[in-house]
Amino acid sequence: DVKVTQSSRYLVKRTGEKVFLECVQDMDHENMFWYRQDPGLGLRLIYFSYDVKMKEKGDIPEGYSVSREKKERFSLILESASTNQTSMYLCASSLSLAPGTPGYNEQFFGPGTRLTVL
Amino acid sequence: AQSVTQLDSQVPVFEEAPVELRCNYSSSVSVYLFWYVQYPNQGLQLLLKYLSGSTLVKGINGFEAEFNKSQTSFHLRKPSVHISDTAEYFCAVSGPLRGKLIFGQGTELSVKP
Repeated sequence: DVKVTQSSRYLVKRTGEKVFLECVQDMDHENMFWYRQDPGLGLRLIYFSYDVKMKEKGDIPEGYSVSREKKERFSLILESASTNQTSMYLCASSLSLAPGTPGYNEQFFGPGTRLTVL
Repeated sequence: AQSVTQLDSQVPVFEEAPVELRCNYSSSVSVYLFWYVQYPNQGLQLLLKYLSGSTLVKGINGFEAEFNKSQTSFHLRKPSVHISDTAEYFCAVSGPLRGKLIFGQGTELSVKP
């Protein structure tokens, strides 16, 4: 079974703090993703990575950065946390497959980190 | 650009009743469609997917979905729901380019006894 783990289930930080959210997957997936989930807005992509040291902006990258130094680990960084970054953060990973092949774009998710910024 | 619209934000239903969760997509390229489920306090897990072939797709836990290209829909159905099906359901679409999924806003299914 693919396992995606996230470093914390719940996190409380103060405005202005630097926050690190860690994600690790154990199935040698090339692709990794960070989403935030807010009620009524679904999942919105923050950043993704197709390979080690590669990153691409998603739909809402402002206020966030990422790091991927090893294939299995993808970190999300809030440089200076703000109250509007209070949210559920979900990490996911997937294999890099040709379009249409079994397993194509099937993302495996971690349990999420509920971050509260006070 | 691709987009997904889930037409109902909340669907209350009684146990053993049938249910349909609606999903419409917009895309100018060939699409691949997914339904994910999120149980309370958990991450998302894949229910079913359409990549090609038969337009009727069967998934886990008795769910199925039908891909309708002319109506650009991918509605999720279950003939008889259980209390344990209470969860949030997300429809997602991807195109032929790398890796990304576009998610809908989610539908909260609430099954009552």
